[in-house]
Amino acid sequence: DVKVTQSSRYLVKRTGEKVFLECVQDMDHENMFWYRQDPGLGLRLIYFSYDVKMKEKGDIPEGYSVSREKKERFSLILESASTNQTSMYLCASRASWETQYFGPGTRLLVL
Amino acid sequence: AQSVAQPEDQVNVAEGNPLTVKCTYSVSGNPYLFWYVQYPNRGLQFLLKYITGDNLVKGSYGFEAEFNKSQTSFHLKKPSALVSDSALYFCAVRRFSGGYNKLIFGAGTRLAVHP
Repeated sequence: DVKVTQSSRYLVKRTGEKVFLECVQDMDHENMFWYRQDPGLGLRLIYFSYDVKMKEKGDIPEGYSVSREKKERFSLILESASTNQTSMYLCASRASWETQYFGPGTRLLVL
Repeated sequence: AQSVAQPEDQVNVAEGNPLTVKCTYSVSGNPYLFWYVQYPNRGLQFLLKYITGDNLVKGSYGFEAEFNKSQTSFHLKKPSALVSDSALYFCAVRRFSGGYNKLIFGAGTRLAVHP
């Protein structure tokens, strides 16, 4: 089975802090994604990566950056956390465009 | 622009009854459609997809979905609901932009199955 793990299930941070969310997949997938999930809005794509050291902006990249130094690891960075970044963050990976495999999510609270 | 709509925030069904979770889409060209499910405190799990072929698609956990081109719909169905089906369901459509394939998700529908 494909396994996508995220470093934390719950995080509490203060406004202005730099926040790192880590995602690791074990199936040698080239494609990895970061979404945020908010009630009534579904999932919105923040950033994605189709290869190592490659990144592309999604629909809502403002306030975020990413890093992909190794194929299995895709990190989401909040340079200066703000309260409107309180959300559930979901990482996903896929081998082809058809099916994405999701991690369990990180619920981030910014105070 | 490609989009997907889930018109119901919540669907309530009695256990044993059939269930339907609605999804409509707007795409240019042939649609590639997906259903995902999210159980409490879990990530999303793939249920089924429609790419081409038979309009009735069968997926995991006894779910199926019917693609209707004339109504631009892709409703999720199950003949007999279980309490364990209670979860958040997302419809998604493939979007090709900027040279990449991405998924556009609906807002989600919460399914509550009552004993």
